[in-house]
Formats: sequence, structure tokens, C-alpha cells
Amino acid sequence: GQNIDQPTEMTATEGAIVQINCTYQTSGFNGLFWYQQHAGEAPTFLSYNVLDGLEEKGRFSSFLSRSKGYSYLLLKELQMKDSASYLCAVSDGDYKLSFGAGTTVTVRA
Amino acid sequence: GAVVSQHPSRVICKSGTSVKIECRSLDFQATTMFWYRQFPKQSLMLMATSNEGSKATYEQGVEKDKFLINHASLTLSTLTVTSAHPEDSSFYICSARGLAENNEQFFGPGTRLTVL
Repeated sequence: GQNIDQPTEMTATEGAIVQINCTYQTSGFNGLFWYQQHAGEAPTFLSYNVLDGLEEKGRFSSFLSRSKGYSYLLLKELQMKDSASYLCAVSDGDYKLSFGAGTTVTVRA
Repeated sequence: GAVVSQHPSRVICKSGTSVKIECRSLDFQATTMFWYRQFPKQSLMLMATSNEGSKATYEQGVEKDKFLINHASLTLSTLTVTSAHPEDSSFYICSARGLAENNEQFFGPGTRLTVL
């Protein structure tokens, strides 16, 4: 089975940095994805890590440590529009995605 | 990026009726399509994996006779919720996987089903 844990909620101030952690225990591993989801909408792709290390893409960065079963998503220079749910998802050996429960990030002015 | 469409975006139906949801990959051929269900304030739960030309693989606890999946071509998969009941009311999202190196799944916009 799959077990993916991430915090339920986080709050930060506009312009600040927030780090969302994700730990996982899965039967297979073909990479870890981060998605952003606004209420009532489908998830949108943010990042993908399959090798250890940091992937940077503009204001968003994602880190992976396979030996520790750990990833984080780093959001820099927070904007109000970044208020959303952030989903950690692990791809198993059959390329199926198992999602964490999601972290709701609230950005305050 | 690749585009996946879903139709309808919203549907309201009476209990006992069947509802069909279409998922299309618009600009790529999807070797595999996935169907998810999401209840309010919960994460996405995979219902089934659909491969073109073969039977869908259902996750544990998902009734295959209630949620019929047809993947007739490399660009179209359909999910039919048969004899829908109020507890089937949910947000249904499909995703499609092509041959991208990162195994990325591209998500459709979702279908909000409300069963009265």
C-alpha cells in the first residue's frame, strides 16, 4: 500500500517563503509530483522529481530524498494567488499516482 | 502542455439514472487514462486505470459494475456511473498519460456530479 503524509494547513504572509513537507512509504517508486489545486478545479502540474536533489522552476522548487522517503515543495515570494491546496503524489511501479491529503496554503496580506 | 478535456463539467441527475462522463486527450495519444474521485476537502482517490483496447483495472473497493469504463481509442475514455445514488455525488477527474519521459499525467478539468 501507499502512505503519503503532508501537513493539513499552512499560513504565510505575502512575499514570504513557505516549505511544504511530504513523507512517503510506497511499494514502488517512479517519481514524485507536486500539484496545485484551487477549489473546484482539477490539479495543475508544478514539479516532478525522480532523482535526489533540488529542482527549481521560477518561484517554486521541489526537493527529493529517496533514501529518506521525503520531499518538500518550496514556494518563494508568495502571492495571494498562491492560496490553494498543494498535493504531493507518488508514482508507483505501474505509473499510478497516489496522492497525499493535500496541504491548504493560505497567503495573508 | 498537453490538454485533456472532460464533458460535461457539471451534471445533476435523479437517483437511479446513469451518467456518462467523457475524457479526451486533445493533442496527444494517451496510452493510459486514469479516473479519480474527490470528495469535498479530501484528496484524489484513484478509481481505475484504463488502457486503450483492454479492460480497466479497478482499485480495491471500487465496483466495476457500477463504474463502467470504456477506453475505445487512444484519445477517449468514458466513465459511466450506473444507477447513481446521492452517495455517488462527487468531483470526478480524469487524467491521461502519454509517452512523456517524466510520466506526467495531464488532468482534465473535472466533472461535478450531483445526484438528487
